[in-house]
Amino acid sequence: NAGVTQTPKFQVLKTGQSMTLQCAQDMNHNSMYWYRQDPGMGLRLIYYSASEGTTDKGEVPNGYNVSRLNKREFSLRLESAAPSQTSVYFCASSEITGPNQPQHFGDGTRLSIL
Amino acid sequence: SQQGEEDPQALSIQEGENATMNCSYKTSINNLQWYRQNSGRGLVHLILIRSNEREKHSGRLRVTLDTSKKSSSLLITASRAADTASYFCATDADGAGSYQLTFGKGTKLSVIP
Repeated sequence: NAGVTQTPKFQVLKTGQSMTLQCAQDMNHNSMYWYRQDPGMGLRLIYYSASEGTTDKGEVPNGYNVSRLNKREFSLRLESAAPSQTSVYFCASSEITGPNQPQHFGDGTRLSIL
Repeated sequence: SQQGEEDPQALSIQEGENATMNCSYKTSINNLQWYRQNSGRGLVHLILIRSNEREKHSGRLRVTLDTSKKSSSLLITASRAADTASYFCATDADGAGSYQLTFGKGTKLSVIP
């Protein structure tokens, strides 16, 4: 069972570069999420997609864009990377949207911006 | 904004002992979830307790919820070295069916063999 797969696992960028983080789930889930995890801050929601074709901002959306490519895939793009975006990024999915839905997480992308 | 806050920030115990972690939150909730994160890995869902439940069990895990005190506790009984991980509570943001889960900063548990 692959679950939620994130690529790449590690990436180093220079300030101003762009890149796309990929996420795919094989559980036929409708909802997908992108979080960032910083030391001492817990997880913070960047964007989410309640269903295919919809996306909404979370707590910290500035500097990011997302695309729900199809039901399986949800990508996160940094158009012009900044050092403040150095973090570990997690993608998650849930069967449907709702506060009582457990979320399933990938193992993260560790991103460093120099 | 931080909804849940875990306490303590770090906990070190001997294998076989019980571990108790607490979570406090600020606003009304529909439910509260606990997750585990092993070093270098993603979060894994452990248990969900609804606002109308007071206690829930899953294997060696026992979760309680006191909505009057806006707090929850996670008890791991007979701990094992494999329980070494960070534990997070997560709540829906405002109790109004929000799509957003808000995570606490976590308790780092170390179980010494």
